[in-house]
Order: sequence, then structure tokens, then C-alpha cells
Amino acid sequence: KNEVEQSPQNLTAQEGEFITINCSYSVGISALHWLQQHPGGGIVSLFMLSSGKKKHGRLIATINIQEKHSSLHITASHPRDSAVYICAVSGGATNKLIFGTGTLLAVQP
Amino acid sequence: DGGITQSPKYLFRKEGQNVTLSCEQNLNHDAMYWYRQDPGQGLRLIYYSQIVNDFQKGDIAEGYSVSREKKESFPLTVTSAQKNPTAFYLCASSAPTGGAVYGYTFGSGTRLTVV
Repeated sequence: KNEVEQSPQNLTAQEGEFITINCSYSVGISALHWLQQHPGGGIVSLFMLSSGKKKHGRLIATINIQEKHSSLHITASHPRDSAVYICAVSGGATNKLIFGTGTLLAVQP
Repeated sequence: DGGITQSPKYLFRKEGQNVTLSCEQNLNHDAMYWYRQDPGQGLRLIYYSQIVNDFQKGDIAEGYSVSREKKESFPLTVTSAQKNPTAFYLCASSAPTGGAVYGYTFGSGTRLTVV
């Protein structure tokens, strides 16, 4: 079993829909990261969470430390949101990242 | 602007040749990392360095080598011993943002194809 599990693996939505991507982890962490990877490969850091909730534009990320679960929400989705969204956790002495396998999101006009 | 520069973006090599991927950062970050990405799998750690002149093996270090002679640079060599080198390679760096939490910055990646 992977230490970081994401669901769903693939998601297709219509423009304007509210989208939720889930992440569960089984290790102790100091932070959870949500990343975005566009075609071409470059990765952008969206959020880094230790607790609670963060919002940036149409993106909202929440984390429940007790349940070891995080969600990424996209409100009023748009085709330009189409990308792979990756959950990763960090912690321990070296702060290495452990990655989920990603969620491929396609938003159709 | 500060960031990480990986070059080249695409690289083709013949089987049996060593190849070196470049990673440079101007963020003054102490820690740097190399990850490999394969289709359908999460990013996996190849090597990491927490300080100049020191580096550690990650989960899939076999067939790879690195050096960290300068804080800004962390090149990765894919050797002929790496059995399946065709993949997407991503460099990252990190620095503490407060307490035990580290923020990460990622490069744009190098896609290596061995023919």
C-alpha cells in the first residue's frame, strides 16, 4: 500500500463544476503539499498545509491531521485547470517528499 | 526572479552512454533533490543533498550519480548501469519556512529518451 493515496486517479468535469480531489496518507508528516503539473512536466506548488484550510483564488485546500486526510477543491472549474494534481507529504529528519500518483483532471468547455 | 533551471528540456542519448542533467538554483536553498517520474507512478527520489559536499541515496539511486560541489548546482549523471533510463527527471530544492516545515521549489524537468 502506498504511503500517499489519491482519488480519483482520473476526473473529467464540465466547465463551471465544483471539483474535489482527495488525498490520504499513512505516515507522520510536518506538512502536506498540493502540486500542479501541466503537460510538458513542470511542477508548480499550489499549497503547503500543516493544519486547517488555505484558499487561493478558486482553489481551496483543507487538511484533517487526525484523520490523515486532505482535499483540494476547485470552484467554478475552467479548461485551463486541466492538469495533473499531485499530493505529497514531507516530514522526518530529511524532510523528503513522498508523492501520490496524481489525479489527471480534464475540464471540458 | 529566483528559481530552478533544468537543462536541457529534452535529451536523446544512445544506449550505453552516460548523460548528465543540469540543475541550477539561485534561491540560496541548502537542500536539493532529484526525482524520477514514470507513467502511472508517483515521483520517486533518486538522490538528495542537504548541504554542499554531501549527498545521500534516495529510493532508486542505482545507476545514477550526483555531485554537490557548489550550493547552486546539483547535476545528475545517468550512467550506462541504469537499466531503464528513459523517464522524466525533476530537480527540486527546499528551505525552511518556519519550524519543521520546508517549502519546495521545482524545476521544469528534463525528459530523457534513450534509444
